Amino acid sequence: QKEVEQDPGPLSVPEGAIVSLNCTYSNSAFQYFMWYRQYSRKGPELLMYTYSSGNKEDGRFTAQVDKSSKYISLFIRDSQPSDSATYLCAVKAGLDSSYKLIFGSGTRLLVRP
Amino acid sequence: GAVVSQHPSRVICKSGTSVKIECRSLDFQATTMFWYRQFPKQSLMLMATSNEGSKATYEQGVEKDKFLINHASLTLSTLTVTSAHPEDSSFYICSARLRGSYEQYFGPGTRLTVT
Repeated sequence: QKEVEQDPGPLSVPEGAIVSLNCTYSNSAFQYFMWYRQYSRKGPELLMYTYSSGNKEDGRFTAQVDKSSKYISLFIRDSQPSDSATYLCAVKAGLDSSYKLIFGSGTRLLVRP
Repeated sequence: GAVVSQHPSRVICKSGTSVKIECRSLDFQATTMFWYRQFPKQSLMLMATSNEGSKATYEQGVEKDKFLINHASLTLSTLTVTSAHPEDSSFYICSARLRGSYEQYFGPGTRLTVT
């Protein structure tokens, strides 16, 4: 079982739709979660990070963590064609001094005009 | 803030030659930098973790003699692919950890093609 699982998609939605992107993780010790957006042939861009359970909102983006079910989500409201990209979830693993990020496989999102 | 650059963005080299890729944190000091490899339509694969002034820590299965990493300063890390072969062709991305946080900020990546 992979430590972080993510549906690769592609996910195709019309402009203006609410998008839900999800990941599951296997280790209940994971506590720090991030979402990255990656455009084709570019490096990932950090969108949001959250610590522990709950919601965090930033503009059109909301990150949600449910530690009881080991489930993390990213919601995009009023999606735009410019949101078309691959979205990667990541969790922090290891000790603070020697940690690493474990990434999901990424979900390709296409927002149709 | 938190900008990371990589150079070159694209490189084509002949089999058997070595290629150096630079990763710089432009507006912050990065005590730790990471090197990833990404194949088409796949996720990021961590190759090694680089701490300033010390030897890099390589992930299992990554040949340290083939992928030489140097982290000479708080703003610069380099990855040298030695004796490159076509199977080394890939997208290489570095990231830098912001001091005091867990977030990593990524460079734009370097596309290596070995002919």
